[in-house]
Amino acid sequence: EAGVVQSPRYKIIEKKQPVAFWCNPISGHNTLYWYRQNLGQGPELLIRYENEEAVDDSQLPKDRFSAERLKGVDSTLKIQPAELGDSAVYLCASSLAGQSLTDTQYFGPGTRLTVL
Amino acid sequence: AQSVSQHNHHVILSEAASLELGCNYSYGGTVNLFWYVQYPGQHLQLLLKYFSGDPLVKGIKGFEAEFIKSKFSFNLRKPSVQWSDTAEYFCAVNNYGQNFVFGPGTRLSVLP
Repeated sequence: EAGVVQSPRYKIIEKKQPVAFWCNPISGHNTLYWYRQNLGQGPELLIRYENEEAVDDSQLPKDRFSAERLKGVDSTLKIQPAELGDSAVYLCASSLAGQSLTDTQYFGPGTRLTVL
Repeated sequence: AQSVSQHNHHVILSEAASLELGCNYSYGGTVNLFWYVQYPGQHLQLLLKYFSGDPLVKGIKGFEAEFIKSKFSFNLRKPSVQWSDTAEYFCAVNNYGQNFVFGPGTRLSVLP
């Protein structure tokens, strides 16, 4: 069974440039999460989707971050414009059905973003 | 808002030593508790989880954790560590209907 796929694995951009990350969850997983992990810290949730609906985006900095999951499968997270403080690893995770939040989350390898 | 703390930033042990990593959370209601591990160069993966029932939970690779509600704790233990246990360990908590909150992580280095 294929795991959660993310691309690119690494991205280096200059500040004020846009950047996008892509995630394909495990087949059949309805719930998709985007996390940001800063160096030396644990993952912090940015947004959670149940199918194509964003059910929690309270931690997403909406002035520059956006996300979509149009068909309820793969998802894109965008930053525009990027700032120096956005340098981090962006993780995608999926689970079967997140309503009870007891399901195991399966994580992808992450995208390491460096903003110069 | 709930928060999760992990007592040690970096733990160094020799092989065969016993391990205990601390995890405390702030939320007072019903919680679900998790330990995740990230081996060098690999994805985060689940070690074990607690939802209800027996507060002593056994996970993969000989790890176990004990939920002590009165102490708001969910400490991870292993009686005898191996070099291959070198990794970063994250405690995570969620209360029903809310999102996950991860702790800052503890880096474990096991010396051969």
